[in-house]
Amino acid sequence: NAGVTQTPKFRVLKTGQSMTLLCAQDMNHEYMYWYRQDPGMGLRLIHYSVGEGTTAKGEVPDGYNVSRLKKQNFLLGLESAAPSQTSVYFCASMEGGASNQPQHFGDGTRLSIL
Amino acid sequence: GENVEQHPSTLSVQEGDSAVIKCTYSDSASNYFPWYKQELGKRPQLIIDIRSNVGEKKDQRIAVTLNKTAKHFSLHITETQPEDSAVYFCAATPPRNTGGFKTIFGAGTRLFVKA
Repeated sequence: NAGVTQTPKFRVLKTGQSMTLLCAQDMNHEYMYWYRQDPGMGLRLIHYSVGEGTTAKGEVPDGYNVSRLKKQNFLLGLESAAPSQTSVYFCASMEGGASNQPQHFGDGTRLSIL
Repeated sequence: GENVEQHPSTLSVQEGDSAVIKCTYSDSASNYFPWYKQELGKRPQLIIDIRSNVGEKKDQRIAVTLNKTAKHFSLHITETQPEDSAVYFCAATPPRNTGGFKTIFGAGTRLFVKA
């Protein structure tokens, strides 16, 4: 049981390049999230998904797109990377059901845009 | 929308002393309050949580208290150790039937435990 796995762990991009971050969870969780964390700051929600085939915007969605074609995977795309998107990106998943549960985080992807 | 305020932003204590981190939330419907610990370069990990039908919960050196009337909850760490040094995040979540799939995080408290 690996939990939440993010790939890649590190990446350096040039401005204008595109890339996709992959998040995979093996806990059969309904909900999945993408956050960014900048130095000395908290977690800001980019996009989230409440189930396969559904996505929604968080508080900082501009410049990012997401897809959840399979329940276990949640992809975060940067179409045209900008230096302001240099950050650590965390994926998280959460169990569905009637009562609230904690979120489970991946190890993060450290992304630098030059 | 829902907001969670966390204080202090930085806390420095001597090893063996207690540390207290306080959070307030704005949505009175919130009913689940997890606390996460994030060590340097690592993922946030759940350390304790409390539900709205409970006023206090304890797990070894860690305890959390909840005051629903004041919309206030706190993390207490006793007998602090250097390995407690980390960033701690509080969070609040509304009920599932009112959109409780979005957890609102506080800005974090950086705790330093001096040996």
